[in-house]
Amino acid sequence: SQELEQSPQSLIVQEGKNLTINCTSSKTLYGLYWYKQKYGEGLIFLMMLQKGGEEKSHEKITAKLDEKKQQSSLHITASQPSHAGIYLCGADRYSGAGSYQLTFGKGTKLSVIP
Amino acid sequence: GAGVSQSPSNKVTEKGKDVELRCDPISGHTALYWYRQSLGQGLEFLIYFQGNSAPDKSGLPSDRFSAERTGGSVSTLTIQRTQQEDSAVYLCASSFRVAEWADEQYFGPGTRLTVT
Repeated sequence: SQELEQSPQSLIVQEGKNLTINCTSSKTLYGLYWYKQKYGEGLIFLMMLQKGGEEKSHEKITAKLDEKKQQSSLHITASQPSHAGIYLCGADRYSGAGSYQLTFGKGTKLSVIP
Repeated sequence: GAGVSQSPSNKVTEKGKDVELRCDPISGHTALYWYRQSLGQGLEFLIYFQGNSAPDKSGLPSDRFSAERTGGSVSTLTIQRTQQEDSAVYLCASSFRVAEWADEQYFGPGTRLTVT
């Protein structure tokens, strides 16, 4: 089963509106990452959260990790067409034998209408 | 500085042929990761290298898939006897990986593989 659930799966907003994307895990997250992907391009790192209650902001994007470290939200303020793309959350998981895996949610497709 | 690069950017191959996908990580990054993204699916972890060794190969979908890394730098993902279900975008990422610390992975643009 999918370890990370993202919601919504897709989102269409009017330019200038605020929006929130959520990422929920059934297990405590060790490290939580947010990435953005545009068609034909690689993933772009946005933010990494590690501590319960942590919040980080970059330009108009704010990401939070809850105290229990099982849920994260990505909030975009005053959305712009440049924010359009697929947003992916990823979680770090230690799989033993010195190996780490990064598990991803299925992504949230964001469209911003001018 | 230069980011992670992958080649080729696009590859179309006939079913049954072998393909090699290449990843050049960011200089100095000790960890290298391969992922696969199929249409409509999330990212799927394939394999992780720390230096030249891969502690965990359990993510490789079948024994037709193999990967190696030489000189702690370039990595090659090889798919033998390709099948149509292998069609996907293959992404490579690299990072400074210190044991037990989460770190930032930087992704390449991917190789779009189409098996006809």
